[in-house]
Amino acid sequence: GAVVSQHPSRVICKSGTSVKIECRSLDFQATTMFWYRQFPKKSLMLMATSNEGSKATYEQGVEKDKFLINHASLTLSTLTVTSAHPEDSSFYICSAQQGAEGYGYTFGSGTRLTVV
Amino acid sequence: DQQVKQNSPSLSVQEGRISILNCDYTNSMFDYFLWYKKYPAEGPTFLISISSIKDKNEDGRFTVFLNKSAKHLSLHIVPSQPGDSAVYFCAASVANFGNEKLTFGTGTRLTIIP
Repeated sequence: GAVVSQHPSRVICKSGTSVKIECRSLDFQATTMFWYRQFPKKSLMLMATSNEGSKATYEQGVEKDKFLINHASLTLSTLTVTSAHPEDSSFYICSAQQGAEGYGYTFGSGTRLTVV
Repeated sequence: DQQVKQNSPSLSVQEGRISILNCDYTNSMFDYFLWYKKYPAEGPTFLISISSIKDKNEDGRFTVFLNKSAKHLSLHIVPSQPGDSAVYFCAASVANFGNEKLTFGTGTRLTIIP
């Protein structure tokens, strides 16, 4: 089946530094990738939608200069948390869509970011 | 290795009838299970959950059943309504003490036929 590899699985960084999270579709081409932030009590917030070769579409309230998303190829999207602060500590999860809307979503394994 | 599997990518159900969405998992360490609902262009929203100490949890029209020996859970929606048309994801985690990592299935697209 389709596999999405998300790396790193956990990262600890100092406040003020930047962290890059990678999301790769291993055996399929992902036309669209989504980035989510997982909050306590299991709620997921969609941060942005990225399409290969074009700028990401950010959800309202998400700072695009702080959460940089690059979808350079059909198999790779990256999320860079710039100038990280402790309040950015969270789980970040990507998912990749294989085809038309509503079909073939595959989630990555998540990245636990801790900013100290 | 897909630890949470939703083998039916799509399901169509007549309005008023029961919708049953299925999910299987392989990791015996999972002990907390959730269902999410996703509309187009939106993120998944939490729907209902169940702990492994239970075999059933009910919330209004939604009931989740857990069969630990079969590593299988299902979501029942009755009666089904047009607004239930969405993609449904099951997810699992080890424990529920806070912000544990969720492992998701690939989703089932439910279409309710008026």
